[in-house]
Amino acid sequence: DQQVKQNSPSLSVQEGRISILNCDYTNSMFDYFLWYKKYPAEGPTFLISISSIKDKNEDGRFTVFLNKSAKHLSLHIVPSQPGDSAVYFCAASSNDYKLSFGAGTTVTVRA
Amino acid sequence: DTGVSQDPRHKITKRGQNVTFRCDPISEHNRLYWYRQTLGQGPEFLTYFQNEAQLEKSRLLSDRFSAERPKGSFSTLEIQRTEQGDSAMYLCASSSGGVVTQYFGPGTRLLVL
Repeated sequence: DQQVKQNSPSLSVQEGRISILNCDYTNSMFDYFLWYKKYPAEGPTFLISISSIKDKNEDGRFTVFLNKSAKHLSLHIVPSQPGDSAVYFCAASSNDYKLSFGAGTTVTVRA
Repeated sequence: DTGVSQDPRHKITKRGQNVTFRCDPISEHNRLYWYRQTLGQGPEFLTYFQNEAQLEKSRLLSDRFSAERPKGSFSTLEIQRTEQGDSAMYLCASSSGGVVTQYFGPGTRLLVL
């Protein structure tokens, strides 16, 4: 069963604009959420995370928002840069060892 | 800090053969994880170790799969009698105990012909 869902398989955005990636989850026991970025032929790279006790976490150009009541989180990238073109995975954990991942969203930043 | 490394990066084998992959975690991390990723999907959890103890195995890990971490450092994942459905990217990750964030290696891409 897919407990973490990324319903948009792709996103195209112009350089300098905002990228917004969405993620929904079904397991109310999830208490920690992460975003990873993946380039082709490489492993996922950790980007940013958020605990369920918070509703926002910011790191440079990246901000993650968590809406627990809606079981929804989003990643904002501002401003988008060409190097941001990659696959982005949302992941969640209900313990401190197993991550459940979404299927990913491919972001393309246009010059 | 050299990060998580995996070897080999690519493996092509014939159906029925055995293959073994190696993962070297970040040196101070006592937890090590194996995931499998197929095309168009996110990574799926296979198993994890805390030090040398294997603490959980996913039902995705059939009897043909075995993982070890003999001295609590590097780990190996062996697949016996490979099948075409085993073709995937096998990812290793590590973390410190009690920390949720996992750091991934580059993966081993397996193709079973």
